[in-house]
Amino acid sequence: EAAVTQSPRSKVAVTGGKVTLSCHQTNNHDYMYWYRQDTGHGLRLIHYSYVADSTEKGDIPDGYKASRPSQENFSLILELASLSQTAVYFCASSERTGGREQYFGPGTRLTVL
Amino acid sequence: GDSVTQTEGPVTVSESESLIINCTYSATSIAYPNLFWYVRYPGEGLQLLLKVITAGQKGSSRGFEATYNKETTSFHLQKASVQESDSAVYYCALGDNNAGAKLTFGGGTRLTVRP
Repeated sequence: EAAVTQSPRSKVAVTGGKVTLSCHQTNNHDYMYWYRQDTGHGLRLIHYSYVADSTEKGDIPDGYKASRPSQENFSLILELASLSQTAVYFCASSERTGGREQYFGPGTRLTVL
Repeated sequence: GDSVTQTEGPVTVSESESLIINCTYSATSIAYPNLFWYVRYPGEGLQLLLKVITAGQKGSSRGFEATYNKETTSFHLQKASVQESDSAVYYCALGDNNAGAKLTFGGGTRLTVRP
């Protein structure tokens, strides 16, 4: 059973529309992360969270909001989607202890038209 | 800031040939870097291939090896004899030993192994 799941797996959105990407983990991990990957580039951190009801900004938070309503769930929200936000989005989770690996979901391919 | 640079893809090799994917890092804000190799198979999320958290140590998994070299700030991935099933995208990543620290990724290297 996949421990980190994402929905939807792909989405086409219109410019200016609102998009919500969802992530669910069954690892019982404290930390959750949202990354984006652009073609030919590595993953970049958008937001992360280390406890429910709290989120932190990553390296590229502009244009994105995050929500962590419970330990298991972490959402990424694009209030006004833009063409530049077309990318693949990955969610991940990890234990609180430092140096631990992150466990990734399968990714969501978002296309903004 | 922190950064990771790895071999640009795509890389194509024939089955049973040797492989090396280069990775160098710059850890300006991390006192004790942790180094990772992740792999992404088609249709799947990234999964950890190997990690090393101590300089000078070697990590290995599924026939792949990588040695954490602090002097050259490198963490190259090697395999003596690749298989077609190794075709995937490989990512080198830099982390911190602090709790929940983010990972800094390289751009990824797409590997295709010809049968």
